[in-house]
Formats: sequence, C-alpha cells, structure tokens
Amino acid sequence: EAQVTQNPRYLITVTGKKLTVTCSQNMNHEYMSWYRQDPGLGLRQIYYSMNVEVTDKGDVPEGYKVSRKEKRNFPLILESPSPNQTSLYFCASSLSSYQETQYFGPGTRLLVL
Amino acid sequence: GENVEQHPSTLSVQEGDSAVIKCTYSDSASNYFPWYKQELGKRPQLIIDIRSNVGEKKDQRIAVTLNKTAKHFSLHITETQPEDSAVYFCAASIRPTNAGKSTFGDGTTLTVKP
Repeated sequence: EAQVTQNPRYLITVTGKKLTVTCSQNMNHEYMSWYRQDPGLGLRQIYYSMNVEVTDKGDVPEGYKVSRKEKRNFPLILESPSPNQTSLYFCASSLSSYQETQYFGPGTRLLVL
Repeated sequence: GENVEQHPSTLSVQEGDSAVIKCTYSDSASNYFPWYKQELGKRPQLIIDIRSNVGEKKDQRIAVTLNKTAKHFSLHITETQPEDSAVYFCAASIRPTNAGKSTFGDGTTLTVKP
C-alpha cells in the first residue's frame, strides 16, 4: 500500500531532550516536506527536500534540523526542544516538480514540557 | 516570500447550500494552487488543484476559480452535505522551479448543518 508513515504518533518530552521524528514513504517520491500545524495558523512549512542530500528551509526552520540520506526517509530532528515547539507535525511527499500532489503522513503530536 | 491569506476562518451553512472560500496570494510568480481538506483528527488530503494557465476547474460538486490579475482563487462547494464539514486549506507554490516550497493559508473550518 502506497503511504507516508511517521513515528512516533504521540510524544511527550521535556525541554532540551533531543528527539527525532521519522518519516518514510514507499512511493519513490522525490519531494518531501515537514509542516507544523497550530490552531489558527494553518500548515507552516519547516523544511523541504527535493531529493537525496538536497534540502532547504521553509518558513519556520528555527530549532529544527533535517537530513535526506535516502530517498524514502526524511527525519525531523529537534536538537533542544522547547515548549513553543509543542505542535502537530506532518510529513508530506510528492512525486516530482510536475506531479505536485502532496501526500501527508498521519501526523505526530508533540508535547514539550 | 509568498503570503497566502484565507477567508473566512469559519463558515457555517445549511445542508444543500453553497459554500465559498477565498484565498489571496502575494507572489505573482506562483502558478500552482491546491486545496486540501482535513477532517477532524485526520491528515490533509488534496481535493482539487488549479494551475495558472487555467481559469476554472470542476470536479463534481467542487470547483476552483483563479483570477491571476487580482491574485486570488476560490473554492466553491455546491449542494453541501454534512460530510463536507472539515477544515479546508488553500496553498500556493511555484512549479517546477521552486517545487518544494509551499505556502498554506490559515484554514477555513466549514460546518454543514443538517
């Protein structure tokens, strides 16, 4: 089944404790993105990747890191989480620059205490 | 960078009525405009999209119109049904030159009353 998966789905952590949220897609998509969703603020893009080893900042990259070592995986890293990073995070992928439909993962709800 | 404004933030209609959601964008280079629907507790899913070389696109009860001159586009839902209740997001991007970058509106919560 074609899908985007994220792990974990729920996470409670404390300020400063490094964490990684994984994202994987099995559709051979070139493009992958991370978004955060906060009430009233829509979906804000954190980082995106156009292919392996090619990443760029979105609108809200501060406090986040990403890597794209393999085409299927695009982990989101929070080196030192803070309470303002409490949010719902979505990973998304799309096939190419011409096949633009984004397929979203199920979301990861993060609470930073 | 691109800025997308979406209105209204909430919309309540009676079943069978039409609903219209509007978005404006700031970057005249934007050329791809998708609409996503997010049901409660679910992930966003594409429902319709339009490219800048087209003025209108329809898919059954939903349609999108684009006015490039005014830099706005709208989602139209006719004969609304309770299952249309969800949050709707518009977005804008520049394809293919900056295909990875997407800017979303803040969302519209649509409630369809039976």
